[in-house]
Amino acid sequence: AQSVTQLDSHVSVSEGTPVLLRCNYSSSYSPSLFWYVQHPNKGLQLLLKYTSAATLVKGINGFEAEFKKSETSFHLTKPSAHMSDAAEYFCVVSVTGNQFYFGTGTSLTVIP
Amino acid sequence: EAGVAQSPRYKIIEKRQSVAFWCNPISGHATLYWYQQILGQGPKLLIQFQNNGVVDDSQLPKDRFSAERLKGVDSTLKIQPAKLEDSAVYLCASSSRDRLSGANVLTFGAGSRLTVL
Repeated sequence: AQSVTQLDSHVSVSEGTPVLLRCNYSSSYSPSLFWYVQHPNKGLQLLLKYTSAATLVKGINGFEAEFKKSETSFHLTKPSAHMSDAAEYFCVVSVTGNQFYFGTGTSLTVIP
Repeated sequence: EAGVAQSPRYKIIEKRQSVAFWCNPISGHATLYWYQQILGQGPKLLIQFQNNGVVDDSQLPKDRFSAERLKGVDSTLKIQPAKLEDSAVYLCASSSRDRLSGANVLTFGAGSRLTVL
């Protein structure tokens, strides 16, 4: 069975400090992993994806994520938070190609 | 390319009334999904179509929810009769195979926000 656990429901950081949003997955097969961002009253936007190529994945807006198979993790990071990063972030796993499993989300607050 | 189109963006109805949401996926995307997102929660899959056939509707409350994708392109999700707990954002997504990686990637519409009074 596949599942995704986002370890923090809320994260607060000060503007200009690093961001770390944690995601662990459970999968019987080699997964594809994604991070999506959702700003208030908007749809979900793809930030980045891991699909069995390079384990360090770069996405939009300066975000990165590293796939660690030994730790079954796919944590999202950004060196310096910006006010516009305040949003809800979802970690997603896919193993069969067309089925996607969502985490419960992490709400990121950026303090000026 | 044009994105996933959804309408209406907002809808307010009273309980026991009916409502319909429309979705037009990205051209050429064979797989279409409807998700329900209740405030403060992650998206929950309601139904998945492959062309005009249903792949997964195990979490669709079939006594009140229905969905169709008759020509394998656009889709309609209907709720009849609505309950208070149906208040949510209804997200439509379609997926395509990424050319470089071969993985399927979801693209979402902006969503339709339903308020049931």
